[in-house]
Amino acid sequence: DIVITQTPLSSPVTLGQPASISCRSNQSLVHSDGNTYLSWLQQRPGQPPRLLIYKISNRFSGVPDRFSGSGAGTDFTLKISRVEAEDVGVYYCMQTARYSRSFGQGTKLEIK
Amino acid sequence: EVQLLESGGGLVQPGGSLTLSCAASGFTFSSYVMNWVRQAPGKGLEWVSTIGIGGNTYYADSVKGRFTISRDNSQNTLYLQMDSLRAEDTAVYSCAKDIVASLAPDYWGQGTLVTVSS
Repeated sequence: DIVITQTPLSSPVTLGQPASISCRSNQSLVHSDGNTYLSWLQQRPGQPPRLLIYKISNRFSGVPDRFSGSGAGTDFTLKISRVEAEDVGVYYCMQTARYSRSFGQGTKLEIK
Repeated sequence: EVQLLESGGGLVQPGGSLTLSCAASGFTFSSYVMNWVRQAPGKGLEWVSTIGIGGNTYYADSVKGRFTISRDNSQNTLYLQMDSLRAEDTAVYSCAKDIVASLAPDYWGQGTLVTVSS
C-alpha cells in the first residue's frame, strides 16, 4: 500500500506570509495512464473537506490563485502565497494513483 | 447544485451491522465514481471504499471483507453495508463524488456518525 507522509504536522503562520506543506509518498504516484493523481484538500473546523488542487497542480473551480501545487513522482508541495484568516484548518494530500487510495496525516494551519 | 446527503448512522453494538445511504442530486449520478471516507473523532481522513462507473469496487484493508459498497443508479443513491462492526469503526462517514476522469473527490456530504459501542 502507498503511505503518504506530510510535513509539518502543524504550521503557525503570520497573516500575509507564505506557507508551504510537503507530501511524500513511499511509491511513485504516476498512474499507468501517465497522469499523477495527487490532490490537496482543505478542511475548515466543523466543515467537510474541500478540494483545492488535483493532479498535482490543477486548481479546482473557485479556489483562489494564492493556492498552488507542484511536484512529481513521490514529492509534492502545496503553497499558499499569502495566508489569510479563512485559510485556517487542516490540509490533507491524497493519492488516487492506485485502486487503494490514501491520505496524508493532515497539516494543521494556524495563525500566529 | 450538487448535493450529497448521508443517512443511516447511529449507535450499534460491536459485531453488529449498519447500512449507510448517500442520496445524490444535481449531477448525473451514474456517470461518476463515488467514494466513502471516514473520520474518527479528532482524527484525520481515512479512505474506506470506492465504486466505479461500471460497478468495480475497492476497499481499504481495514474494512475488506466486512464492508460492501454499492450503488443504485435508478435511485441516485450510494450505499455502504457495514458488518462485523468494531469499536475502531466509530467515525463520521462521508460520501464524495470524483471529478470526471481526474480521480479527485470534488464534492462531499456532511457525513453521518457511526458509533460502535456496547
